[in-house]
Amino acid sequence: EIVLTQSPDFQSVALKETVTITCRASQSVASSLNWYQQKPHQSPRLLIKDASQSISGVPSRFSGSGSATDFTLTINTLEAEDAATYYCHQTSSLPYTFGQGTKLEIK
Amino acid sequence: QITLKESGPTLVRPTQTLSLTCTFSGFSLTTGVGVAWIRQSPRKGLEWLALIFWDGDKRYTPSLESRLTLAKDTSKSQVILTMTNMDPVDTGTYYCAHLEGDPTLDYWGPGTLVIVSS
Repeated sequence: EIVLTQSPDFQSVALKETVTITCRASQSVASSLNWYQQKPHQSPRLLIKDASQSISGVPSRFSGSGSATDFTLTINTLEAEDAATYYCHQTSSLPYTFGQGTKLEIK
Repeated sequence: QITLKESGPTLVRPTQTLSLTCTFSGFSLTTGVGVAWIRQSPRKGLEWLALIFWDGDKRYTPSLESRLTLAKDTSKSQVILTMTNMDPVDTGTYYCAHLEGDPTLDYWGPGTLVIVSS
C-alpha cells in the first residue's frame, strides 16, 4: 500500500498570502495524484487532477505540481473561503490511498 | 448535472451486516464509468473502500475485501455496498463518488453517517 504523507498537518496563513502544501508518496505514483478540498460538514471537492491538471470551476489560484513521489499544492492570494482541510489522493495503484490531510486556517 | 446520494441505516449493531445504497443521476453506468465508495473517520481519515465499473468489474481494498460486496442496479441507477461483521471501528461517514475514464473521483455524494454500537 502506498502511503501519502502531507506536510504540514496544520497551517495558519494571512489573507492574500501564498500557501504551499506538500504530499510525499512512499513509492512513485507517476502523475496519478489528485488534490481535494474539504470544508466542515461537506464532502471532498476535486481541485487538481493528475498532479497539475486544473478542474473546471475551480479558481485559478489553485495549482499543482510534481511527479513520482513529491507533489505540491499551491494556493495563491489566499481568500477567506479557502479555509478547509486539503487532501492528496493517489490513483496509481490499489488501494487508492489518501494523505492524512492539511488543515488550513486563515489568520 | 451529476449527483449522488448515499442512504442506509445510521445505527448498526456490532457483528451485523451494513447495506448502503448510492443513488445517482446525471449519468449512467456506461463505458468507462464507475462508482466508488470511500469512508471517513477521525481514527483513519479518508479510506478508499471499493469500486465497481460499468461492466460489473469490481475492485476492493485488500484489508476489507473479505467483508465487502458491491452490486449495481442499472435500471434504478444504484450501486449497493454491503459490509459484513460490522465493528465499532467501522463507525464513520460513508461516501460514494463518480469516476469516468480513470480512477479520479470527480463527484461525491454528501455522505451518510454510520455508527456501530450496541
